[in-house]
Amino acid sequence: EAGVTQSPTHLIKTRGQQATLRCSPISGHTSVYWYQQALGLGLQFLLWYDEGEERNRGNFPPRFSGRQFPNYSSELNVNALELEDSALYLCASSSGTSGYNEQFFGPGTRLTVL
Amino acid sequence: AQRVTQPEKLLSVFKGAPVELKCNYSYSGSPELFWYVQYSRQRLQLLLRHISRESIKGFTADLNKGETSFHLKKPFAQEEDSAMYYCALGNFGNEKLTFGTGTRLTIIP
Repeated sequence: EAGVTQSPTHLIKTRGQQATLRCSPISGHTSVYWYQQALGLGLQFLLWYDEGEERNRGNFPPRFSGRQFPNYSSELNVNALELEDSALYLCASSSGTSGYNEQFFGPGTRLTVL
Repeated sequence: AQRVTQPEKLLSVFKGAPVELKCNYSYSGSPELFWYVQYSRQRLQLLLRHISRESIKGFTADLNKGETSFHLKKPFAQEEDSAMYYCALGNFGNEKLTFGTGTRLTIIP
């Protein structure tokens, strides 16, 4: 069974640009989560999507947004990039919302903002 | 607000010695606690969750609500235990995981 996949592996942008990160969940999983792992800060929860809807959002500005497609894959968009957005962005998926389901993580996208 | 604290960024232990990775949490509701592990060049994966009361790879963790702790323990460390360990707090309903900053465990041969 294929795991969570993310693309691209690395992304280099300059300040003010927009970045788009993509995630494909494990087949059969309907929930997708996004986390930011900045140096020294650990993993910070960004967004949770389930069945195409945004269900929860972490303490991040509105320029962090995303969506979930009918096939349950997801995009994370970061607008007006700032230097401090440089981080590893992890996507995770789980099988549903009844009770607490294990989150399976992808390998991450390393975003560098110059 | 929910918070997870892992006081040790780095921990070195000799092979065969006991291991204890500390985790304290702050949460007003009924917590769901997890330990995740990331081995070198691998993705983050679930090691264990308190609700299942399992022992995975010899590791156990007991939820102590009085001390708001969920320390990870193993009686005899093995070289393959060297990894980054994250304690995480979840809650039903919003499915958000709050992670600690992690502890890098190094097992000395």
